[in-house]
Amino acid sequence: EPEVTQTPSHQVTQMGQEVILRCVPISNHLYFYWYRQILGQKVEFLVSFYNNEISEKSEIFDDQFSVERPDGSNFTLKIRSTKLEDSAMYFCASSGTGGYGYTFGSGTRLTVV
Amino acid sequence: AQKVTQAQTEISVVEKEDVTLDCVYETRDTTYYLFWYKQPPSGELVFLIRRNSFDEQNEISGRYSWNFQKSTSSFNFTITASQVVDSAVYFCALSEEMGYSTLTFGKGTMLLVSP
Repeated sequence: EPEVTQTPSHQVTQMGQEVILRCVPISNHLYFYWYRQILGQKVEFLVSFYNNEISEKSEIFDDQFSVERPDGSNFTLKIRSTKLEDSAMYFCASSGTGGYGYTFGSGTRLTVV
Repeated sequence: AQKVTQAQTEISVVEKEDVTLDCVYETRDTTYYLFWYKQPPSGELVFLIRRNSFDEQNEISGRYSWNFQKSTSSFNFTITASQVVDSAVYFCALSEEMGYSTLTFGKGTMLLVSP
């Protein structure tokens, strides 16, 4: 069964450092997303991406965040200068036409120290 | 604005008991989709079901069943004969339309099934 792959599974970084979280969506999907889950809390939408541009973003997705699809397969989330409160599980997701097959990756646990 | 409420923060049951997880949603759209996800201790989100707003039929999949009632804006999830492996956090989510639409999640219900 097709799956969304995220790397790394766990990343520890120092406050103020830049991090890039990587995702390989399902190959024939058109829509890509990042979500965040602070420990013990609900999953929150960050950003959606379609046709090589951001289609929607939440208020969490401020100037510290950026997304990119650098090639035909990867989808990345960059946090420019990490803060302690960025510590969370970050989930990538992708979906096809009509939203079918909305699939989440297994997540990257980011710890900022 | 859309909203999903899971009023039960934590439920504890003994193995083989039936358990129902509640989900109430709010949306202004006539077309929307409802989801349930399971999050085991390992942290990944496991898809359980997607239901569109035009399909009010209840669904059964093994020990899992879902009761969708538009009249009360609820999409409840029942596990029959619970097992220890069902222990997880369960999230209900809403999407106002598919395509590039985002999912709005509830806060989740932690289910603890003891032997």
